[in-house]
Amino acid sequence: ILNVEQSPQSLHVQEGDSTNFTCSFPSSNFYALHWYRWETAKSPEALFVMTLNGDEKKKGRISATLNTKEGYSYLYIKGSQPEDSATYLCALYSGGGADGLTFGKGTHLIIQP
Amino acid sequence: ETGVTQTPRHLVMGMTNKKSLKCEQHLGHNAMYWYKQSAKKPLELMFVYSLEERVENNSVPSRFSPECPNSSHLFLHLHTLQPEDSALYLCASSQMDRGNEQYFGPGTRLTVT
Repeated sequence: ILNVEQSPQSLHVQEGDSTNFTCSFPSSNFYALHWYRWETAKSPEALFVMTLNGDEKKKGRISATLNTKEGYSYLYIKGSQPEDSATYLCALYSGGGADGLTFGKGTHLIIQP
Repeated sequence: ETGVTQTPRHLVMGMTNKKSLKCEQHLGHNAMYWYKQSAKKPLELMFVYSLEERVENNSVPSRFSPECPNSSHLFLHLHTLQPEDSALYLCASSQMDRGNEQYFGPGTRLTVT
């Protein structure tokens, strides 16, 4: 059973501040690491798919880094806005074609105006 | 709008009922998935269909029965469920040769009474 851990579980951040949170995973089972953003009552939305050690990806104010050797990824949000409030999920893909993803429990982010 | 739709969005059923959840993807993908999210647990993979063939059944009880009649449609047939089966059921699809980036529907919130 693969174990994907996310921390913190929840986070309150003041509007305008920057923040980051962590996803850790077993490095021996790595093929790709996915980040999703999930707003209440909506579909989880794919943010990044990361495959290479040292990879860094950016989408607007959100970026992510990946360390496959030590088994962790960070998600950063710069200058948080109220619309960034959501649950951020990371998921490990261990390869094998159409295998499913192993998800962490998520970090629930609340941006306070 | 992710291109994956699910119906119904909410379902309340008794333990002796039989119901079905429906998922449809408009993305031309060749793999489809059912996930379950229970309270305070991560998303758990239930079933994977690749090219309309079931490739994984993650020790899911037989009271859940999937069906994939073609690459665009996926069903989850439910019968004699238990109250602990109350959860959010998410459908996803992916194209197998693209790092398994998955696109999710909005989910069906199921309550078993």
